[in-house]
Amino acid sequence: EDQVTQSPEALRLQEGESSSLNCSYTVSGLRGLFWYRQDPGKGPEFLFTLYSAGEEKEKERLKATLTKKESFLHITAPKPEDSATYLCAVRANYGGSQGNLIFGKGTKLSVKP
Amino acid sequence: GAVVSQHPSWVICKSGTSVKIECRSLDFQATTMFWYRQFPKQSLMLMATSNEGSKATYEQGVEKDKFLINHASLTLSTLTVTSAHPEDSSFYICSARPGDSYGYTFGSGTRLTVV
Repeated sequence: EDQVTQSPEALRLQEGESSSLNCSYTVSGLRGLFWYRQDPGKGPEFLFTLYSAGEEKEKERLKATLTKKESFLHITAPKPEDSATYLCAVRANYGGSQGNLIFGKGTKLSVKP
Repeated sequence: GAVVSQHPSWVICKSGTSVKIECRSLDFQATTMFWYRQFPKQSLMLMATSNEGSKATYEQGVEKDKFLINHASLTLSTLTVTSAHPEDSSFYICSARPGDSYGYTFGSGTRLTVV
């Protein structure tokens, strides 16, 4: 069964304290791993898509990496405005060209000033 | 960038009534849209895939007659929660993909409260 597991469930950091969020996945034929940011009461905001092991993408203080079994979202010197829930999702090798995403439960990040 | 507009952002309705949620792609055409449901501290769960001009595909356990989906144009999909009950209270989110080179874009979500 295709599955996405994120850890930790919650993470509290001090401003400037770098850390990583983990996303482990099992899927029959990965067609993309996605990272989203979700603020309370809002829809997910797209951050990155990774397609193959070894791929890395960066955006400001965030860097996403991918292996054959997991992905990491590295946060360097976070600021309070980075506080949000970060969601990981995978697109499996079925569902046609518009296949749906399978989401993890997310990691709630809190950054204290 | 690609934008998906969802309305209303929140709605309160009485038990037994129906509620319609709209999802529009503002600057691209979406032959397929996805409807998700999210409970507190839970992941987004796909309810159905909406296909323009044809019937929606529902996930296992989702009642077709309760959650009516209409995708009448390339820019609009609607989800109607019929005969709503308190257990239907949740956060509903729609999504679409502008193209293969883009990530999935999500609407801002609709908080439904049934009283």
